[in-house]
Amino acid sequence: SQTIHQWPATLVQPVGSPLSLECTVEGTSNPNLYWYRQAAGRGLQLLFYSVGIGQISSEVPQNLSASRPQDRQFILSSKKLLLSDSGFYLCAWSVSRTGRNSPLHFGNGTRLTVT
Amino acid sequence: SQELEQSPQSLIVQEGKNLTINCTSSKTLYGLYWYKQKYGEGLIFLMMLQKGGEEKSHEKITAKLDEKKQQSSLHITASQPSHAGIYLCGADQRRVSDSGYALNFGKGTSLLVTP
Repeated sequence: SQTIHQWPATLVQPVGSPLSLECTVEGTSNPNLYWYRQAAGRGLQLLFYSVGIGQISSEVPQNLSASRPQDRQFILSSKKLLLSDSGFYLCAWSVSRTGRNSPLHFGNGTRLTVT
Repeated sequence: SQELEQSPQSLIVQEGKNLTINCTSSKTLYGLYWYKQKYGEGLIFLMMLQKGGEEKSHEKITAKLDEKKQQSSLHITASQPSHAGIYLCGADQRRVSDSGYALNFGKGTSLLVTP
């Protein structure tokens, strides 16, 4: 069966410090991968998605970037964190197959607090 | 993108009572997804609806998509404390592959079940 791992679970970082959140998927190949951010009162916001290695699409201009160095690895980064980057970050994957939609499957999330 | 409105925003019910959560879209829904989120955790996929009038059930949870495909409801029968959490509806926001979509989500309905 497929599993998705996200780490760390919680992170407290000072303003201006770098960030690296990692997500890996097991049990499937060539998944679509997604990064979402969930902020109180604002719901889930799609940040990035990827349909293959090195293929990254950004939904919202911001202080963050994403990379996909391997088929089942998705990394969210920042060179200098802002206070507004605080939130709950969720990685998700879906199967890409013709003929039907596929649900997204989420990791357990990373709670980021920028101080 | 789809704008999804969920109602109510929060709900407190007594154990054993039935409840309904609604999700309304400004556009026709071609894929409607229901998720449950426990506080501080990732989203768990419950059900996907695609056809007008479609209804699916999982244990004591039933989801329906109306004939016009602009509104979905989630109904819980004989609620239990284990049903507590945040329920989110999601709909296709952006096509990322042949059948893969990034989802747009409602802001969620927070459910508390009291003894």
